[in-house]
Amino acid sequence: QKEVEQNSGPLSVPEGAIASLNCTYSDRVSQSFFWYRQYSGKSPELIMSIYSNGDKEDGRFTAQLNKASQYVSLLIRDSQPSDSATYLCAVNQAGGTSYGKLTFGQGTILTVHP
Amino acid sequence: GAVVSQHPSRVICKSGTSVKIECRSLDFQATTMFWYRQFPKKSLMLMATSNEGSKATYEQGVEKDKFLINHASLTLSTLTVTSAHPEDSSFYICSADGQVGVTQYFGPGTRLTVL
Repeated sequence: QKEVEQNSGPLSVPEGAIASLNCTYSDRVSQSFFWYRQYSGKSPELIMSIYSNGDKEDGRFTAQLNKASQYVSLLIRDSQPSDSATYLCAVNQAGGTSYGKLTFGQGTILTVHP
Repeated sequence: GAVVSQHPSRVICKSGTSVKIECRSLDFQATTMFWYRQFPKKSLMLMATSNEGSKATYEQGVEKDKFLINHASLTLSTLTVTSAHPEDSSFYICSADGQVGVTQYFGPGTRLTVL
């Protein structure tokens, strides 16, 4: 069973702080990793994608990938109340008929308080 | 770019009826479309993978005769929930993948309520 694990939270941070969201995955051959943001009652919205070890920055968001540790994280700098949402980690399965399918973690609820 | 639409956004139906949900990729051709279901406070669960012109591949535990998927073109996939029951009430979300293994883009979702 290929699994993606996240701390369900809730994670509460003050406005302006850094929010750190973590995710581990079990399938060592996974190739692509994604962070989605989902507001209540809405569908997921892509925030970041990362494919290689290291950091990838996009505005206030930084994704970090460590394939040896099977670990991916998302940092949100200068957190804003509008960042309050559920953050879903997703991993792309690789190989055979699974190619292209995403496996999602259970999501981390982030609350940014003023 | 990479816009995916779903219709309808919300549907309420009586138990025993069938409901069809459409998923369209508006500005790209989708090699593959995926159908997910999400229950309240739960994560997305993949129901099936749909490739244009071929039969859908269903995940374990998903009844293919109950959830009929048709992927007639590179921009349209439909999910029909047949003989819907209250336990089928959920948030159904499709996604489209323009290139195998690359990013999936999600539609806005369809909230189904079966009375």
